[in-house]
Amino acid sequence: AQSVTQLDSQVPVFEEAPVELRCNYSSSVSVYLFWYVQYPNQGLQLLLKYLSGSTLVKGINGFEAEFNKSQTSFHLRKPSVHISDTAEYFCAVSAYSGNTGKLIFGQGTTLQVKP
Amino acid sequence: KAGVTQTPRYLIKTRGQQVTLSCSPISGHRSVSWYQQTPGQGLQFLFEYFSETQRNKGNFPGRFSGRQFSNSRSEMNVSTLELGDSALYLCASSLDGLGYGYTFGSGTRLTVV
Repeated sequence: AQSVTQLDSQVPVFEEAPVELRCNYSSSVSVYLFWYVQYPNQGLQLLLKYLSGSTLVKGINGFEAEFNKSQTSFHLRKPSVHISDTAEYFCAVSAYSGNTGKLIFGQGTTLQVKP
Repeated sequence: KAGVTQTPRYLIKTRGQQVTLSCSPISGHRSVSWYQQTPGQGLQFLFEYFSETQRNKGNFPGRFSGRQFSNSRSEMNVSTLELGDSALYLCASSLDGLGYGYTFGSGTRLTVV
């Protein structure tokens, strides 16, 4: 079974400052890793994903994440945030095989960007 | 290309009624998964369909059911609605449901009164 822990429920940050949203996961099998963003009253939009290869993954809107297998972490970073980045961010995993179609999500981190 | 389309966007139902939600996946995607999102429980997996067959199922009661048609469109049904079923229901489509990428729809907001 897999589980995902997002270490911060809320992260307040000033505009143009850097931000890191933390995600740790637990799994007995190899997993794919994802970050999604959700704006109010909308669905989930994929920011980036790690399937294999380079552990540094670049996504949309200037976000990037680094897969650390030894620490079972997949933290999301952005060097300079904008007001428009205010949203809920979800880390998720899915198993390489079996458990088809199933994403396990963390509880989410609310990013609040202040002017 | 068109994204994942969920209809309707909003629904208000009364306890005890049943409801059917619809999801049209991205063209060519054969896997459709459904999720329930609530403030208390977060995002929880309901079930996944691939080529008209349910391949995977989460821990929800039998009142929650689904199906998939030959064109990959999917419906989920909730019978005997309870207040606790009020949630945002999201569907996600992917080519094969094995992790290469899931695209989500905007969701159906169900309110049970």
